[in-house]
Amino acid sequence: DTGVSQNPRHKITKRGQNVTFRCDPISEHNRLYWYRQTLGQGPEFLTYFQNEAQLEKSRLLSDRFSAERPKGSFSTLEIQRTEQGDSAMYLCASSFSTGALGYTFGSGTRLTVV
Amino acid sequence: AQSVTQLGSHVSVSEGALVLLRCNYSSSVPPYLFWYVQYPNQGLQLLLKYTTGATLVKGINGFEAEFKKSETSFHLTKPSAHMSDAAEYFCAVRTTTDSWGKLQFGAGTQVVVTP
Repeated sequence: DTGVSQNPRHKITKRGQNVTFRCDPISEHNRLYWYRQTLGQGPEFLTYFQNEAQLEKSRLLSDRFSAERPKGSFSTLEIQRTEQGDSAMYLCASSFSTGALGYTFGSGTRLTVV
Repeated sequence: AQSVTQLGSHVSVSEGALVLLRCNYSSSVPPYLFWYVQYPNQGLQLLLKYTTGATLVKGINGFEAEFKKSETSFHLTKPSAHMSDAAEYFCAVRTTTDSWGKLQFGAGTQVVVTP
């Protein structure tokens, strides 16, 4: 098990374009989370899944954002019609829903909208 | 509602000196508390966590933190700073009684270690 994997590590896109990020969680983990981190701030919760069900979405997740986790495995986060304000680090984490082990974060995808 | 306040956005310490990073929280549920470290352009690495039981928690890389309910604090310490401790540190609290639901993070403290 190599931990939580996120791809791509970096993405530069022009304003108005669509982008999609992928997260591969630790295979045994049934929960998967997306967070956004802007410069100089702590991560902010976006959404999370238990298996394939999306259990909660933050108000930060506008209608331009969509996340999926088909079959409860990997997850994708898509941003449509990107804006400069979307520039941030997008972090994925996974965990079991119970137990003492906690969360494991991936290395993140840094998005720059120009 | 849950919130986390990290006192000091930047801390400078000399190599070999005590590292003390302050975190205060508010929580309407029994808190689970976490400290994470982030190196440039990397994700978050868990240093330590408090869930229940012993209030003094030891983590990786020589860090420890003490949960003080009466002070709603979870300060992070390390007796002797090393150059490799230069990074950003985040305190976080869970937001629900659900064991591993979403976390609320503080704004972070950047640690600089000087020779």
